[in-house]
Order: sequence, then C-alpha cells, then structure tokens
Amino acid sequence: GNSVTQMEGPVTLSEEAFLTINCTYTATGYPSLFWYVQYPGEGLQLLLKATKADDKGSNKGFEATYRKETTSFHLEKGSVQVSDSAVYFCALSDRFGSSNTGKLIFGQGTTLQVKP
Amino acid sequence: TAGITQAPTSQILAAGRSMTLRCTQDMRHNAMYWYRQDLGLGLRLIHYSNTAGTTGKGEVPDGYSVSRANTDDFPLTLASAVPSQTSVYFCASSPYSGKGETQYFGPGTRLLVL
Repeated sequence: GNSVTQMEGPVTLSEEAFLTINCTYTATGYPSLFWYVQYPGEGLQLLLKATKADDKGSNKGFEATYRKETTSFHLEKGSVQVSDSAVYFCALSDRFGSSNTGKLIFGQGTTLQVKP
Repeated sequence: TAGITQAPTSQILAAGRSMTLRCTQDMRHNAMYWYRQDLGLGLRLIHYSNTAGTTGKGEVPDGYSVSRANTDDFPLTLASAVPSQTSVYFCASSPYSGKGETQYFGPGTRLLVL
C-alpha cells in the first residue's frame, strides 16, 4: 500500500542553519504531497503542498519539490529560526478504499529543535 | 476566522465510560475526518464523512462511531473507552472529499483513558 517515510528525529540545529528533512513515498498513480507543521500544543497546519511532478511548494521560507523519479518531497529552509521549532509531517493524498474519499497518509513526524 | 473547533481540549476518562468528542467547522466544507495521533505512528484515519448525512469507516474504526447530521458538526463517540484509546484526536475538514484535497485541522483533543 501507499506509505510515507520521514527521517527520524529529533533534529537539532542552531539558528540560521540550513534545514533538510527527508521524505520519501510509495504510491501508485500521482498523489498530491503535503508538509504539515505542528507547533507545541497546537493542531496541524498546512505548510506547503505540490500536486504534480516537478512542482515546488513554498511558504514561510520553506520549500519542497515533488520528485517523481526519486519519489521524494524533501523539506528545506535556508536559515532556520527558533520559532521554527515544531514537529513536521510529510503526507500524501490517497483515495480511501474503492471510494472517492480522499485521505492523507502521514509519515511519523520529525521533531525540529532550533537553538539560539 | 474560527475554522475548526474541538471540545474538550483534554479529558481523563475511566475505562468503560462513554464520551463524545465534539468538532465544529464554519467553513462550509463538505468533507470531515477524524484522525488519532500516536507517537511514532503519525496520524491514522478513524472515520470520515464525504457530505452531511453520510459517514464511512477509516483504517482504525473499532470502538468509535460518528454521525453527520449537518454540514458543520461531526462528533466522535467512544461507547466504552479502553486504555488503548488514549491518544490525541484531530478533526479535519476539506472543501470536497476527493483525493488531493487539502485538509484543515482542528487544535485536537488529548484523551487519557485509565
């Protein structure tokens, strides 16, 4: 079945360091890909998305490119801030069962801690 | 904009007791979902509703039931709670139910079953 694999955390960086969080997926067809972020004590917020191969999603300085040839959607940011400390989830859209119901398949999440 | 609200924020529940987790959205989204979040497992789909009046089982539905009497509300009921239902529960919604739709999440309900 379809699945998402993220790099294990926690990831600890100093402020202004470069961030990469790896995400690879297994899927049939052409799923949409998402990155969600969960700040401490809060729900999940959509960070960015890409709907087809070679699309680049970007938001708040974060970027991710949909690479079909490597089945990857790695999250990057050039200079992290303390406020970026959160848990990051990679997800792909899928059709649930034989219905047209969309559901998200999530990776296990990667905790990012940015130190001043 | 409120988006999605969930209640309660957290709850401690004795095993065997019943409980309803509430979820309300004000975005007039057709589709709604319930997920549970467990450490190391990401989020897993419990139940979903493509539109008011319809519901369906997700990948971990046992022990849970839902209803969708109107567009805005999607309550999740635990009929007889067990410790394995200790988790963080997230309600989500999307404009439509199709594959590829962005889902928007509520703040979550943290449930501890003893």
